[in-house]
Amino acid sequence: QQQVKQSPQSLIVQKGGISIINCAYENTAFDYFPWYQQFPGKGPALLIAIRPDVSEKKEGRFTISFNKSAKQFSLHIMDSQPGDSATYFCAASTRRSGAGSYQLTFGKGTKLSVIP
Amino acid sequence: KAGVTQTPRYLIKTRGQQVTLSCSPISGHRSVSWYQQTPGQGLQFLFEYFSETQRNKGNFPGRFSGRQFSNSRSEMNVSTLELGDSALYLCASSLGVRGETQYFGPGTRLLVL
Repeated sequence: QQQVKQSPQSLIVQKGGISIINCAYENTAFDYFPWYQQFPGKGPALLIAIRPDVSEKKEGRFTISFNKSAKQFSLHIMDSQPGDSATYFCAASTRRSGAGSYQLTFGKGTKLSVIP
Repeated sequence: KAGVTQTPRYLIKTRGQQVTLSCSPISGHRSVSWYQQTPGQGLQFLFEYFSETQRNKGNFPGRFSGRQFSNSRSEMNVSTLELGDSALYLCASSLGVRGETQYFGPGTRLLVL
């Protein structure tokens, strides 16, 4: 059962354009939504994260928009640059009751290519 | 601060063998989680250790096991390797107390022949 659905699988954007990646979740217990960026041969690196009590969070060129009622969240990359070309993963987690443990459930990833 | 380190970075094994992977978390982080990344299944949670105890476990067979030492370093073991175990194995560390932010290491690329 895929609990976090991510789209599109791949995305090609012109340099300077806006990249938009969408994710939808099913488990209403999720309360933490990070985005990770992964370059080939590297581990995922935390990009930005949001909690459901906030509808938007911006850090530099990266913005997360969150719609709790629709159970959807998205990553916007403004002024996309060739150096942003990577695979992006959305994820969600919730504190496992009584255990204090957080388990990340990932989307399948979006391969972003920014062309000059 | 140094990031999460994983050793070895690459490993080639044959079916039926066993393998042990190592992870050193960020200094001060007490929780270590392991994930398997494959092209088909994506990133999947294996298990999490906190203060030398397994606190959470994903849906993987018993061939996958782990442990954590008193210095928070963790090892993951896979016994009786199968071809389908070929993957990138990622370790992530977090504070472990209200520490949902996880920081990943570079991973160990395992190839099973």
